[in-house]
Amino acid sequence: NAGVMQNPRHLVRRRGQEARLRCSPMKGHSHVYWYRQLPEEGLKFMVYLQKENIIDESGMPKERFSAEFPKEGPSILRIQQVVRGDSAAYFCASSPPGVGVGYTFGSGTRLTVV
Amino acid sequence: KQEVTQIPAALSVPEGENLVLNCSFTDSAIYNLQWFRQDPGKGLTSLLLIQSSQREQTSGRLNASLDKSSGRSTLYIAASQPGDSATYLCAVKPDRQLTFGSGTQLTVLP
Repeated sequence: NAGVMQNPRHLVRRRGQEARLRCSPMKGHSHVYWYRQLPEEGLKFMVYLQKENIIDESGMPKERFSAEFPKEGPSILRIQQVVRGDSAAYFCASSPPGVGVGYTFGSGTRLTVV
Repeated sequence: KQEVTQIPAALSVPEGENLVLNCSFTDSAIYNLQWFRQDPGKGLTSLLLIQSSQREQTSGRLNASLDKSSGRSTLYIAASQPGDSATYLCAVKPDRQLTFGSGTQLTVLP
């Protein structure tokens, strides 16, 4: 039973390019969460998705960032026109339905903007 | 707004010591609390999950307690080993998503 799969593990982008980060949740998990960890900072919530629905995007920057979780395929976090300040580790977590359930995290994608 | 604080920020102990990591949160209305471990450059590994109705959970050398009314949790590590060296993160679930503390960086010296 594979865990939460994120790819790529490392991503280098030049300023102004687009970054696409992928997350496949654990089997049986229908809820996906994206978190960002800036250097020397804690994990900050970005967005919570279920299949074909964005449930809570209160942590997403208003511009350049978007997320989706289509009916088929992985969840995608998309960052357009990246800037140096976007350099961070982006983690995806998944959970089954239910309020008391725990989260399983992936290994993260480390984005470096040069 | 929920805030999670972890003390100390860093801790260094000799191998074999028992130790306690502390976590406090400002709003007691939580569904659960989860302790994670993060190794440098790696993802998060879940250690223990405590439901709001529970007082503690145990896994091997680890024991986590929860006092919801006072907004506190502790992670007890018995007989520490160098392999326990990592950052330990506490996270509470007050709503739809987890709120994390900044972590305690633990170093166990051989």
